[in-house]
Amino acid sequence: EAQVTQNPRYLITVTGKKLTVTCSQNMNHEYMSWYRQDPGLGLRQIYYSMNVEVTDKGDVPEGYKVSRKEKRNFPLILESPSPNQTSLYFCASSLRGPLEQYFGPGTRLTVT
Amino acid sequence: GDSVTQMEGPVTLSEEAFLTINCTYTATGYPSLFWYVQYPGEGLQLLLKATKADDKGSNKGFEATYRKETTSFHLEKGSVQVSDSAVYFCALDTAGAGSYQLTFGKGTKLSVIP
Repeated sequence: EAQVTQNPRYLITVTGKKLTVTCSQNMNHEYMSWYRQDPGLGLRQIYYSMNVEVTDKGDVPEGYKVSRKEKRNFPLILESPSPNQTSLYFCASSLRGPLEQYFGPGTRLTVT
Repeated sequence: GDSVTQMEGPVTLSEEAFLTINCTYTATGYPSLFWYVQYPGEGLQLLLKATKADDKGSNKGFEATYRKETTSFHLEKGSVQVSDSAVYFCALDTAGAGSYQLTFGKGTKLSVIP
């Protein structure tokens, strides 16, 4: 089954404790992206990747890092999480470019 | 920069009512336009799309027409069902102009009551 998976689905952590949210897709897609969803703000893009080893900042990249060492994986790294990064995070992928993206189920992160 | 403006929700309708969710955009170049839907507890799914002016996207009874003259892409459905209750997002992409991002509206929550 074609899908985008994210882990963990729920995470509660404390300020400053490094964490990684994994994202994997099994569709051989070139484009992958991370978004955060906040009430009243909709979806905002954090980072995206056009292909392996090619990443670029989205609209809200501060406090986040990404890497794309393999085509199928696109982890989101929070080196020193802060409470303002409490949010619902979505990973997405598409065959080429940002068109027709497939979204993962989301990761709800709480930073206390 | 590019932007998408959607009507504010929430929208509450009775089953079988007519639905319109307004979406207007500002963009340089010639964007592709999308509607995504997010059912409770799930990620977003592509509902329909249109890639050029006057195109009509349609899926699951929903329709939207790309109107360049009014920079709009309003979502319509003739008869909503309880199962249509979800959050709907309008989005645009300007990949043709060298951008590699989707810009989303803030979303409109639809509740359909029996």
